[in-house]
Order: sequence, then C-alpha cells, then structure tokens
Amino acid sequence: GAGVSQSPSNKVTEKGKDVELRCDPISGHTALYWYRQRLGQGLEFLIYFQGNSAPDKSGLPSDRFSAERTGESVSTLTIQRTQQEDSAVYLCASSGNPGNTEAFFGQGTRLTVV
Amino acid sequence: AQSVTQPDIHITVSEGASLELRCNYSYGATPYLFWYVQSPGQGLQLLLKYFSGDTLVQGIKGFEAEFKRSQSSFNLRKPSVHWSDAAEYFCAVGADGGYNKLIFGAGTRLAVHP
Repeated sequence: GAGVSQSPSNKVTEKGKDVELRCDPISGHTALYWYRQRLGQGLEFLIYFQGNSAPDKSGLPSDRFSAERTGESVSTLTIQRTQQEDSAVYLCASSGNPGNTEAFFGQGTRLTVV
Repeated sequence: AQSVTQPDIHITVSEGASLELRCNYSYGATPYLFWYVQSPGQGLQLLLKYFSGDTLVQGIKGFEAEFKRSQSSFNLRKPSVHWSDAAEYFCAVGADGGYNKLIFGAGTRLAVHP
C-alpha cells in the first residue's frame, strides 16, 4: 500500500486477555518501529527492527510485551495478560534504508482494556 | 537520561498571527532533532529535522525551526498561522546520538481562532 497500515484501528479487550496488533509497513522499508502513546502524552519507544539484525527491544515495558517481524514485511505486537495501564494508542512506523531518516507513521491501534 | 520538554501544553493563536512552539532537550552532544505534527484522525507527519549544518531549518507547510546549542532548544516557528494548522505538535530527539529511536516530548496542542 501507499502508507503504513495498522489493524485493527480499535480494539477493546478484557483485562487478562492477550491481544495482537498488526503493522504493514511501506513496501521496501527495511526499518520498522513500534511506539505507544498514552492519553495526553508523547510517544514512548517500544521496539525497533532493522532488516535482519537483532531488534532493539529496549523500550518494551515488561515481558508481557513482545513483537515479531517477518523478514522486511509485516510485524505483530503481542500483549499478553493485558492490564488497564496498557490502554493506549499503539503506533507503528517504517523508514527506508538505514540512511533514510524519515519515519512514516500509521494511524495507530487504539487499545482499551476494560 | 535524555528527555524532551515542551513547556506549553496548549496554545491558542488567531489565524494570521505568528507562532512559536518551544522545545528543550537534554543531551550532552548535538542530537538529531525532529518536529512532527499529528492532526485529528491522521498519523504523525514529519515537519522538519535538524542533523547538522545551518541551524535554521526549513520544513513543510511553511514551518521552520532554529537549533540553539547554548539553550538546548529547537523551537518551531511559523510567521502566519492558518486554521488548518490546528493540531498537536511533537518535538523529538534521537536517542543516544542516533536517529532510529526517538524520544518525544509530551506535545503542544495548537488551537487557531478565526
């Protein structure tokens, strides 16, 4: 597609359930990022994939959070045993080769844990 | 730890007035600096970035920003605001001197009065 696509756009889940959030980056982009945006706050870095290198997971807040990426395409962010504090908008971004610094963001998945 | 401060949570200006959004960062060396805009229902869009060289950077939509090392600031400016500029603006700094992982400020919400 023309831009970064995220699904679902909205997700309501019960506390304790697992959720999977999907990101389709721009075709050909080697780098993919996940960020979290809590209400009224800026974005928090979660994880960064670059090509076939080991991902930078330094922003994942707990071991309930994990992410995978298939080659240089789709990524899935999984949150296990969701808690109310996980409620946020989860944003995915992708960028081109390592020298291309502009990250293009998707519109996000709004996760509500009830 | 690195941080980005946007002192103004909300700003209201009249259409046609000038605008300055403040951003201060903490980092020992010269970082990579970014301004993003988030319009309602849309993803984040890069307005401009500073890497090196000329400290006055021009961006899209008539925005510019000036890097001032002595003040650790990267303020965003526009000489004449349009109603369509109403949005949330985020300043970001590249973590650890890089640009793949960004640290965002909490954002400034701009309202424009006709």
